[in-house]
Amino acid sequence: DSGVTQTPKHLITATGQRVTLRCSPRSGDLSVYWYQQSLDQGLQFLIQYYNGEERAKGNILERFSAQQFPDLHSELNLSSLELGDSALYFCASSVGQGGNQPQHFGDGTRLSIL
Amino acid sequence: DAKTTQPNSMESNEEEPVHLPCNHSTISGTDYIHWYRQLPSQGPEYVIHGLTSNVNNRMASLAIAEDRKSSTLILHRATLRDAAVYYCIPYFGNEKLTFGTGTRLTIIP
Repeated sequence: DSGVTQTPKHLITATGQRVTLRCSPRSGDLSVYWYQQSLDQGLQFLIQYYNGEERAKGNILERFSAQQFPDLHSELNLSSLELGDSALYFCASSVGQGGNQPQHFGDGTRLSIL
Repeated sequence: DAKTTQPNSMESNEEEPVHLPCNHSTISGTDYIHWYRQLPSQGPEYVIHGLTSNVNNRMASLAIAEDRKSSTLILHRATLRDAAVYYCIPYFGNEKLTFGTGTRLTIIP
C-alpha cells in the first residue's frame, strides 16, 4: 500500500462529458503529480502541484485542469471528453523537497470513453 | 531530461538473481538514479535510488558505475511477483518523472 488513494477506480462515460478524478496523497506529502498512461503513449506527466500551487505542466490538454486543495488532496478535471482520453490516470505524491525523495503512486483511475 | 537506454525485455528463472542494466550517459551531476517498476494493472512502484555509491534495500540492490553513466538494478532472488516493467529514471526531486519504455521482465517458473 503506497498510501496514495485514488477514486474512483473505474469510470465509464460518454464523449462530450466531464469527469473529476480525486487523489489523496500520502500523509505529510506536499507535492502531487498527475500522469496519464495510454497504450500508445506510455506514462506521460500531466501536471504537478506543490502545497496548493501549480508547479509544473506537462502535456496536459486545455480541456483538462487540476487543483490542489488546502488539505492537500487534488482533483483532475477532464471535460469535453473524447475517445482518445480513454486511459489510466495515476496520481503520485512526494514530500516535495530534496533529490532523494521518491514519488509514490496510487493504483490509478481507469477511464473508459464510449 | 537525461536520456536512458534499457533492454526492451529480459527473462530470468525463478529464484535466480536478475541484473537489469540501464545506460544514462547524459545524466547531470545532481540527478539521482531512481528505479521504479510497474506490475500488471498497478501503478508504478518505487524500488530504489542512489547518487554515487551502491545502495541496498529490502527489495533490491543498485550498482552505480563510477562515472555514473550506467547503473544496474539487482534482484537477488527473483520471484514470480517480480514480473513487471522496470524503469530507470535520472531524477533530481520535486519534479516530473520521465518514463521511458523500460524493461519488461519475465520470470520463468
